[in-house]
This record gives sequence, structure tokens and C-alpha cells, in this order.
Amino acid sequence: DAMVIQNPRYQVTQFGKPVTLSCSQTLNHNVMYWYQQKSSQAPKLLFHYYDKDFNNEADTPDNFQSRRPNTSFCFLDIRSPGLGDAAMYLCATSRAFVEKLFFGSGTQLSVL
Amino acid sequence: QQQVKQSPQSLIVQKGGISIINCAYENTAFDYFPWYQQFPGKGPALLIAIRPDVSEKKEGRFTISFNKSAKQFSLHIMDSQPGDSATYFCAASEKGSQGNLIFGKGTKLSVKP
Repeated sequence: DAMVIQNPRYQVTQFGKPVTLSCSQTLNHNVMYWYQQKSSQAPKLLFHYYDKDFNNEADTPDNFQSRRPNTSFCFLDIRSPGLGDAAMYLCATSRAFVEKLFFGSGTQLSVL
Repeated sequence: QQQVKQSPQSLIVQKGGISIINCAYENTAFDYFPWYQQFPGKGPALLIAIRPDVSEKKEGRFTISFNKSAKQFSLHIMDSQPGDSATYFCAASEKGSQGNLIFGKGTKLSVKP
């Protein structure tokens, strides 16, 4: 019973072509996070929502945007993907800050 | 000072052996130290976590040892099994950080049968 669901599992896009990744959760958690994980590296936090309150990490490129239309769904928009944006994008949720994170299986993004 | 330094980068252990992964930090404001396990093609999953008011926490074959004065913590996997083969990340966060977990770079564990 997947609790944090990410779609699609694999996404191929062209250099500069906007792409949207989606995440949904059945846990009714307040916090939703987006992490970027490059090959053999640690996950890096891009931004998070606490309910509707959005917090962008200081070093997250402007090219990355996010939307959370309701509690269950969160989207990651990459406006003009570059080759360096190829990575696994992980969505995670938690009931509150500094609590257990529940990760989805990720979307592997390739940029051609 | 926001870094969490993790070692070793990779580890090979025989089945039944003990796997030990170490992490060190500088930020004394960190007060939550989880370990995450990640299998290939999957997202990380919380394995075990500790707060600095205890020096050790055990859950089944997994134990966190925490040394506040040395600013170090480690994961011990007893009776390691091939199914434990995965990448392990230590992490830390501080109170009021809005949940920003600082991850170590990960340790790829291989348990040989």
C-alpha cells in the first residue's frame, strides 16, 4: 500500500522543455518535501510545504518551482531543464517537522 | 558546520558479521539523528533514529550509538544479512530547522553470503 506515490517513475525530457513531476500522499501529512538526489549522492532538499506555507531552500535554483493545490498533492515544475538537472527527484512527507520522513520511490529524470 | 561526515563510503561484510557505519557533525544545535536505508530504485526509508538525551538505541539487529561529547554517532548492524545490502545515510537536523535534514554522503553496504 504505497503511501507516497510519485509519477511518473521515469521521465525523459528535452533540454529546455518544461517538465512537471507529481507526488500524492494518502497519509494526510502536513509537510511535503522535494529532494534532488544525483547518482551516488545524498538527497538534497529543494523546498517544502507546511500546509500551504512554502519554504524554498536558499540554494535552490529559480528554475525549480513547486505547487501544492491541496493536502494530498504536490508538484515539482522545472521550467527549463538543463543537463545538470538529470537526477532522481524524491518526494517525502512528514506529519510535522523533525519527524519521520516517508519517501516515495522517486522519479528518475533524464534530460536529452 | 552544517555538514554531516559519513564513513566509510563503501563496506563489504560477510553474512553474520557486524557492519559499522560512522558519522560526525560539528553543529551542536543538531538534536535529531536518523538513519535511512535506501535500496536501488527506491526512496530512502527510516531505519532508526536517536535524540541526544540517550547514548544508545536498539531496534532488532540495528543499534545507534551516540557520543555527544565527541559529536559522533554510528550505526551497528548485527548478524548482517544479504538483504541488508543497501545504501545507508545518516542525517541530522536541529530544532527549529523546519525539518531540513542534513544527510551524510551515504555508505554502500554489501553483505556477502
